[in-house]
Amino acid sequence: DAGVTQSPTHLIKTRGQQVTLRCSPKSGHDTVSWYQQALGQGPQFIFQYYEEEERQRGNFPDRFSGHQFPNYSSELNVNALLLGDSALYLCASSFGIGEKLFFGSGTQLSVL
Amino acid sequence: EDKVVQSPLSLVVHEGDTVTLNCSYEVTNFRSLLWYKQEKKAPTFLFMLTSSGIEKKSGRLSSILDKKELSSILNITATQTGDSAIYLCAGYNAGNMLTFGGGTRLMVKP
Repeated sequence: DAGVTQSPTHLIKTRGQQVTLRCSPKSGHDTVSWYQQALGQGPQFIFQYYEEEERQRGNFPDRFSGHQFPNYSSELNVNALLLGDSALYLCASSFGIGEKLFFGSGTQLSVL
Repeated sequence: EDKVVQSPLSLVVHEGDTVTLNCSYEVTNFRSLLWYKQEKKAPTFLFMLTSSGIEKKSGRLSSILDKKELSSILNITATQTGDSAIYLCAGYNAGNMLTFGGGTRLMVKP
């Protein structure tokens, strides 16, 4: 039973570029949440997708957008990258909203 | 804005010691509190607490929620080097948004 998988594992971009991160949820899960974790801090909630719709959004600018596909996989897009966007981006899945989350190993994004 | 605060920020103990990690929360219409262990990158689930005063146990780890004090503790007895990790606490609000604390970094020395 595959857990939550994320790709790529590492990514280096320059300021102003755009990036797309991908996530496949654990088998049987239908809800995907995205978190940003800066070095030495706890994960910060970006948004959550359920039934292909954004259900909740944290305090992140519109440069951060996402999508959920019919197979429950999800993408996180970040436009106009800033140096401060450098972080570990974690995807988590659950069966339904408000349940325990299972996390992937993340995508380490470095913006130069 | 929901807020979760963990203490201490970091802790160094020796194998065999018992540790208590603290979590306090200010979460609108609080629903539940979760604990995670983060060793490298992927946080792994430990406990989900919804009822006050009921201890949850898994091996050497246990946790309890106090809704009056808006807090929770995570206890680890007979610590081992494999317990070295960052421990994260998070609270769900009624809108099902999960807010994490900054974590407690635990180092267990042999």
